[in-house]
Amino acid sequence: DTGVSQDPRHKITKRGQNVTFRCDPISEHNRLYWYRQTLGQGPEFLTYFQNEAQLEKSRLLSDRFSAERPKGSFSTLEIQRTEQGDSAMYLCASSPGVGLAGDEQFFGPGTRLTVL
Amino acid sequence: AQTVTQSQPEMSVQEAETVTLSCTYDTSENNYYLFWYKQPPSRQMILVIRQEAYKQQNATENRFSVNFQKAAKSFSLKISDSQLGDTAMYFCAFLGGTSYGKLTFGQGTILTVHP
Repeated sequence: DTGVSQDPRHKITKRGQNVTFRCDPISEHNRLYWYRQTLGQGPEFLTYFQNEAQLEKSRLLSDRFSAERPKGSFSTLEIQRTEQGDSAMYLCASSPGVGLAGDEQFFGPGTRLTVL
Repeated sequence: AQTVTQSQPEMSVQEAETVTLSCTYDTSENNYYLFWYKQPPSRQMILVIRQEAYKQQNATENRFSVNFQKAAKSFSLKISDSQLGDTAMYFCAFLGGTSYGKLTFGQGTILTVHP
Protein backbone atom coordinates (compact mmCIF):
# COMPACT_ATOMS: atom_id res chain seq x y z
CA ASP A 1 0.00 0.00 0.00
CA THR A 2 1.64 3.19 -1.16
CA GLY A 3 -0.76 5.78 0.14
CA VAL A 4 -4.18 7.31 -0.26
CA SER A 5 -5.57 6.96 -3.78
CA GLN A 6 -8.42 8.83 -5.44
CA ASP A 7 -10.35 8.16 -8.59
CA PRO A 8 -10.84 9.82 -11.00
CA ARG A 9 -8.03 12.35 -10.96
CA HIS A 10 -9.94 14.71 -13.22
CA LYS A 11 -13.63 15.05 -13.96
CA ILE A 12 -15.33 17.43 -16.35
CA THR A 13 -19.10 17.55 -16.23
CA LYS A 14 -21.96 19.73 -17.31
CA ARG A 15 -24.00 21.72 -14.86
CA GLY A 16 -26.85 19.69 -13.46
CA GLN A 17 -25.16 16.30 -13.81
CA ASN A 18 -24.30 14.04 -10.88
CA VAL A 19 -20.73 13.00 -10.14
CA THR A 20 -19.19 10.48 -7.77
CA PHE A 21 -15.63 10.33 -6.51
CA ARG A 22 -13.89 7.46 -4.78
CA CYS A 23 -11.18 7.46 -2.12
CA ASP A 24 -9.16 4.47 -0.96
CA PRO A 25 -7.39 5.21 2.31
CA ILE A 26 -4.22 3.66 3.63
CA SER A 27 -4.95 0.15 4.87
CA GLU A 28 -5.86 -0.07 8.55
CA HIS A 29 -6.53 3.66 8.80
CA ASN A 30 -9.72 4.12 10.78
CA ARG A 31 -10.35 7.77 9.97
CA LEU A 32 -11.12 9.21 6.57
CA TYR A 33 -11.59 12.88 5.70
CA TRP A 34 -12.88 14.88 2.74
CA TYR A 35 -11.75 18.43 2.01
CA ARG A 36 -12.43 20.87 -0.82
CA GLN A 37 -9.74 23.17 -2.17
CA THR A 38 -10.36 26.02 -4.58
CA LEU A 39 -7.55 27.54 -6.60
CA GLY A 40 -5.03 29.42 -4.49
CA GLN A 41 -6.78 28.66 -1.22
CA GLY A 42 -6.28 26.26 1.65
CA PRO A 43 -8.38 23.11 1.89
CA GLU A 44 -11.74 23.39 3.64
CA PHE A 45 -13.08 20.55 5.74
CA LEU A 46 -16.19 18.80 4.43
CA THR A 47 -16.70 15.67 6.50
CA TYR A 48 -14.98 12.80 8.25
CA PHE A 49 -15.55 9.16 9.14
CA GLN A 50 -14.46 7.01 12.02
CA ASN A 51 -14.68 3.55 10.44
CA GLU A 52 -18.09 3.56 8.76
CA ALA A 53 -19.63 6.24 10.97
CA GLN A 54 -19.84 9.78 9.62
CA LEU A 55 -19.02 11.82 12.72
CA GLU A 56 -18.86 15.40 11.53
CA LYS A 57 -20.17 17.36 8.58
CA SER A 58 -19.36 20.92 7.61
CA ARG A 59 -22.03 23.44 6.76
CA LEU A 60 -20.30 23.53 3.35
CA LEU A 61 -21.77 20.10 2.73
CA SER A 62 -25.14 21.08 1.30
CA ASP A 63 -27.95 18.59 0.74
CA ARG A 64 -26.60 18.02 -2.78
CA PHE A 65 -23.51 16.40 -1.28
CA SER A 66 -23.46 12.95 0.26
CA ALA A 67 -20.56 10.87 1.49
CA GLU A 68 -20.43 7.23 2.47
CA ARG A 69 -17.94 4.74 3.81
CA PRO A 70 -20.04 1.57 3.78
CA LYS A 71 -17.60 -0.97 5.15
CA GLY A 72 -15.14 1.29 6.85
CA SER A 73 -12.70 1.01 3.96
CA PHE A 74 -13.11 3.08 0.79
CA SER A 75 -15.35 6.15 0.68
CA THR A 76 -17.42 7.84 -1.99
CA LEU A 77 -18.42 11.48 -2.30
CA GLU A 78 -21.39 12.22 -4.54
CA ILE A 79 -22.47 15.62 -5.76
CA GLN A 80 -25.94 15.83 -7.25
CA ARG A 81 -27.11 18.52 -9.67
CA THR A 82 -23.65 20.01 -9.96
CA GLU A 83 -23.22 23.78 -10.11
CA GLN A 84 -20.33 25.82 -11.45
CA GLY A 85 -19.45 26.78 -7.88
CA ASP A 86 -18.68 23.12 -7.18
CA SER A 87 -15.60 23.35 -9.39
CA ALA A 88 -12.67 22.61 -7.09
CA MET A 89 -10.12 20.03 -6.06
CA TYR A 90 -11.63 17.41 -3.75
CA LEU A 91 -9.06 15.97 -1.40
CA CYS A 92 -9.30 12.82 0.64
CA ALA A 93 -7.10 12.05 3.65
CA SER A 94 -6.81 9.23 6.14
CA SER A 95 -5.23 8.77 9.55
CA PRO A 96 -4.67 5.85 11.89
CA GLY A 97 -7.16 7.23 14.40
CA VAL A 98 -6.52 4.69 17.12
CA GLY A 99 -6.73 6.56 20.39
CA LEU A 100 -4.65 9.41 19.06
CA ALA A 101 -5.73 12.99 18.96
CA GLY A 102 -3.87 15.10 16.46
CA ASP A 103 -2.58 12.17 14.46
CA GLU A 104 -1.15 12.88 11.03
CA GLN A 105 -3.53 13.00 8.11
CA PHE A 106 -2.15 11.52 4.89
CA PHE A 107 -3.55 13.15 1.78
CA GLY A 108 -4.40 11.70 -1.59
CA PRO A 109 -3.66 13.40 -4.93
CA GLY A 110 -7.18 14.81 -5.20
CA THR A 111 -9.92 14.81 -7.82
CA ARG A 112 -10.16 18.00 -9.84
CA LEU A 113 -13.76 18.74 -10.77
CA THR A 114 -14.67 21.19 -13.50
CA VAL A 115 -18.33 22.02 -13.98
CA LEU A 116 -19.12 23.63 -17.33
CA ALA B 1 -14.58 28.99 15.50
CA GLN B 2 -10.91 28.73 14.88
CA THR B 3 -9.17 30.81 12.24
CA VAL B 4 -5.70 30.49 10.74
CA THR B 5 -4.01 33.39 8.97
CA GLN B 6 -0.97 33.32 6.74
CA SER B 7 -0.16 36.91 5.86
CA GLN B 8 2.52 36.18 3.24
CA PRO B 9 0.95 35.09 -0.05
CA GLU B 10 4.37 34.59 -1.66
CA MET B 11 7.96 34.28 -0.50
CA SER B 12 11.21 33.62 -2.29
CA VAL B 13 14.64 32.56 -1.11
CA GLN B 14 17.99 31.69 -2.60
CA GLU B 15 19.19 28.11 -2.45
CA ALA B 16 21.07 27.36 0.80
CA GLU B 17 19.58 30.41 2.55
CA THR B 18 17.10 30.45 5.42
CA VAL B 19 13.48 31.55 5.17
CA THR B 20 10.69 31.95 7.72
CA LEU B 21 7.00 31.58 6.96
CA SER B 22 4.50 33.20 9.32
CA CYS B 23 1.24 31.88 10.73
CA THR B 24 -1.13 33.18 13.36
CA TYR B 25 -4.26 31.54 14.68
CA ASP B 26 -7.17 32.29 16.90
CA THR B 27 -8.75 29.83 19.30
CA SER B 28 -10.30 29.65 22.75
CA GLU B 29 -9.04 26.09 23.29
CA ASN B 30 -6.09 25.36 25.53
CA ASN B 31 -5.14 22.00 24.05
CA TYR B 32 -4.64 21.74 20.30
CA TYR B 33 -2.23 20.79 17.55
CA LEU B 34 -0.56 22.81 14.83
CA PHE B 35 0.85 21.57 11.56
CA TRP B 36 2.74 22.77 8.53
CA TYR B 37 1.86 20.96 5.31
CA LYS B 38 3.70 21.25 2.00
CA GLN B 39 1.92 20.99 -1.36
CA PRO B 40 4.38 20.84 -4.28
CA PRO B 41 3.10 21.84 -7.73
CA SER B 42 0.70 19.17 -9.02
CA ARG B 43 1.59 16.82 -6.21
CA GLN B 44 -0.14 15.74 -3.06
CA MET B 45 0.09 17.42 0.30
CA ILE B 46 2.57 16.06 2.81
CA LEU B 47 3.17 16.83 6.46
CA VAL B 48 6.30 18.85 7.22
CA ILE B 49 6.12 19.29 10.97
CA ARG B 50 3.71 18.95 13.91
CA GLN B 51 3.50 20.79 17.23
CA GLU B 52 1.44 19.89 20.30
CA ALA B 53 0.30 22.99 22.15
CA TYR B 54 1.01 21.57 25.60
CA LYS B 55 4.66 21.06 24.70
CA GLN B 56 6.76 24.14 25.23
CA GLN B 57 9.67 22.81 23.22
CA ASN B 58 9.62 23.83 19.57
CA ALA B 59 9.38 20.95 17.12
CA THR B 60 12.21 20.29 14.67
CA GLU B 61 12.51 17.95 11.68
CA ASN B 62 15.91 18.10 10.03
CA ARG B 63 16.06 21.44 8.19
CA PHE B 64 12.58 22.45 9.36
CA SER B 65 11.83 24.02 12.73
CA VAL B 66 9.04 26.03 14.25
CA ASN B 67 8.81 29.00 16.58
CA PHE B 68 5.70 28.34 18.63
CA GLN B 69 4.54 31.29 20.74
CA LYS B 70 1.38 30.12 22.49
CA ALA B 71 0.53 33.40 24.20
CA ALA B 72 0.88 35.30 20.95
CA LYS B 73 -0.87 32.52 19.02
CA SER B 74 1.93 32.45 16.52
CA PHE B 75 3.43 29.44 14.75
CA SER B 76 6.16 30.22 12.22
CA LEU B 77 8.12 27.76 10.11
CA LYS B 78 11.85 28.16 9.52
CA ILE B 79 13.47 26.37 6.63
CA SER B 80 17.25 26.24 6.81
CA ASP B 81 19.60 25.47 3.94
CA SER B 82 16.75 25.85 1.43
CA GLN B 83 16.72 23.41 -1.46
CA LEU B 84 15.08 23.61 -4.89
CA GLY B 85 12.78 20.80 -3.84
CA ASP B 86 11.36 23.01 -1.10
CA THR B 87 9.52 25.02 -3.76
CA ALA B 88 5.85 24.50 -2.93
CA MET B 89 2.73 25.96 -1.35
CA TYR B 90 2.96 25.76 2.43
CA PHE B 91 -0.13 25.58 4.60
CA CYS B 92 -0.39 26.17 8.32
CA ALA B 93 -3.17 24.11 9.91
CA PHE B 94 -4.92 23.89 13.27
CA LEU B 95 -6.59 20.92 14.94
CA GLY B 96 -8.57 21.45 18.12
CA GLY B 97 -7.98 19.10 21.00
CA THR B 98 -11.66 18.28 21.20
CA SER B 99 -11.91 17.45 17.50
CA TYR B 100 -10.34 14.33 16.13
CA GLY B 101 -10.83 15.29 12.53
CA LYS B 102 -11.33 18.83 11.37
CA LEU B 103 -8.17 20.54 10.19
CA THR B 104 -8.51 24.30 9.68
CA PHE B 105 -6.05 25.57 7.09
CA GLY B 106 -4.61 28.99 6.38
CA GLN B 107 -4.63 30.51 2.93
CA GLY B 108 -1.15 29.26 2.13
CA THR B 109 2.22 30.77 1.23
CA ILE B 110 3.84 30.06 -2.11
CA LEU B 111 7.57 29.55 -1.54
CA THR B 112 9.96 29.67 -4.47
CA VAL B 113 13.57 28.63 -4.01
CA HIS B 114 15.90 30.14 -6.61
CA PRO B 115 19.18 28.55 -7.70
